[in-house]
Amino acid sequence: EAGVAQSPRYKIIEKRQSVAFWCNPISGHATLYWYQQILGQGPKLLIQFQNNGVVDDSQLPKDRFSAERLKGVDSTLKIQPAKLEDSAVYLCASSLSGRYQETQYFGPGTRLLVL
Amino acid sequence: AQKVTQAQTEISVVEKEDVTLDCVYETRDTTYYLFWYKQPPSGELVFLIRRNSFDEQNEISGRYSWNFQKSTSSFNFTITASQVVDSAVYFCALSEAREDQGAQKLVFGQGTRLTINP
Repeated sequence: EAGVAQSPRYKIIEKRQSVAFWCNPISGHATLYWYQQILGQGPKLLIQFQNNGVVDDSQLPKDRFSAERLKGVDSTLKIQPAKLEDSAVYLCASSLSGRYQETQYFGPGTRLLVL
Repeated sequence: AQKVTQAQTEISVVEKEDVTLDCVYETRDTTYYLFWYKQPPSGELVFLIRRNSFDEQNEISGRYSWNFQKSTSSFNFTITASQVVDSAVYFCALSEAREDQGAQKLVFGQGTRLTINP
């Protein structure tokens, strides 16, 4: 079974530029999560989708971050404009139906460096 | 509010030593799940174990074992006869059901960087 796919794996941009990340969850998984992991810290949830609807985006900096999952499968996370403090690893995860008992499976992440 | 504390920021041991990673959590719920993930240098979070709050039996999987003690809100992870390939950052996480629905809210600890020296 294929795991969670993410691209690109690495991205370097200048501050104030835009960047987009892509995620394809495990086939059949209804719930998709985007996390931000700053160096030396644990992952922090940015947004959670159930199919193509948003369950939780309370920690998403909406003035610069946006995310969509239009067809309920793959998802994109965008940052516009990027700030230095956005340098982090962006992890995508998925679970079968989003119930609290379930295990989330993670992709390899995208390492973003903002200069 | 839920919280996970991994007080050990970094641990370094020599290969074949046993090592225990500590995890202490806070929650108001009686029903919750605990997880351990491994993050090797490649960056992907690899699932290791899931344990629900009603199952306090210790679990062993090869060289890995987990000690869940509800009385002290701890879920510690022990690697026996450590190997260089065990070097990674290990995260403990707590999952609760959201108040408005059964959807998951997963909170991670800060992680413990484990280095196994040959």
